[in-house]
Amino acid sequence: DTEVTQTPKHLVMGMTNKKSLKCEQHMGHRAMYWYKQKAKKPPELMFVYSYEKLSINESVPSRFSPECPNSSLLNLHLHALQPEDSALYLCASSQTKDRLISYEQYFGPGTRLTVT
Amino acid sequence: DQQVKQNSPSLSVQEGRISILNCDYTNSMFDYFLWYKKYPAEGPTFLISISSIKDKNEDGRFTVFLNKSAKHLSLHIVPSQPGDSAVYFCAASAEGWTQGGSEKLVFGKGTKLTVNP
Repeated sequence: DTEVTQTPKHLVMGMTNKKSLKCEQHMGHRAMYWYKQKAKKPPELMFVYSYEKLSINESVPSRFSPECPNSSLLNLHLHALQPEDSALYLCASSQTKDRLISYEQYFGPGTRLTVT
Repeated sequence: DQQVKQNSPSLSVQEGRISILNCDYTNSMFDYFLWYKKYPAEGPTFLISISSIKDKNEDGRFTVFLNKSAKHLSLHIVPSQPGDSAVYFCAASAEGWTQGGSEKLVFGKGTKLTVNP
């Protein structure tokens, strides 16, 4: 099973709303990632959790707040977003790097977010 | 500054022929390279990867070639099938980008492959 699930598939929110995106995997991966992808652009890394601890924050504005409640779940809390934050938000997971061996990341289908 | 470049935004190939997708990179510290396929409204799907200690990796119809001296890699799909029509992203990770066992990937802008029946 190489499935990463994300909910909701689509989300429309106003600039004053608070919402959360959810991601789940049951592959036993201990690294989980949030990416943002704008139309016709590549995915851009936002956050990385390793062993449930935040290991990388790519200078993301504080209106995005990640959370990793356990090894299978990853959340992204959204508050006071701007219309330019509208994008596809992708979650991914991977095994953690084992000495010199790297592992591929598996992506979920994404949440299409529209901020009005 | 883009560290991973896919200079061809699109490629069109006849069914049964070979598709060759190219990727160039600038960071000599990259030690792991991946190719992903993406259909509209879906997340990227992992296809194949290669470590910098190798120059070729093959998986079924997909072969990735790495030329470190030229900082260039390519994905060969043979024979190409209409179902291969998608956007293909090249991605890379650098030695030293590992944090707590996780790895940071940077992606190219993608090449849209169309395989015509």
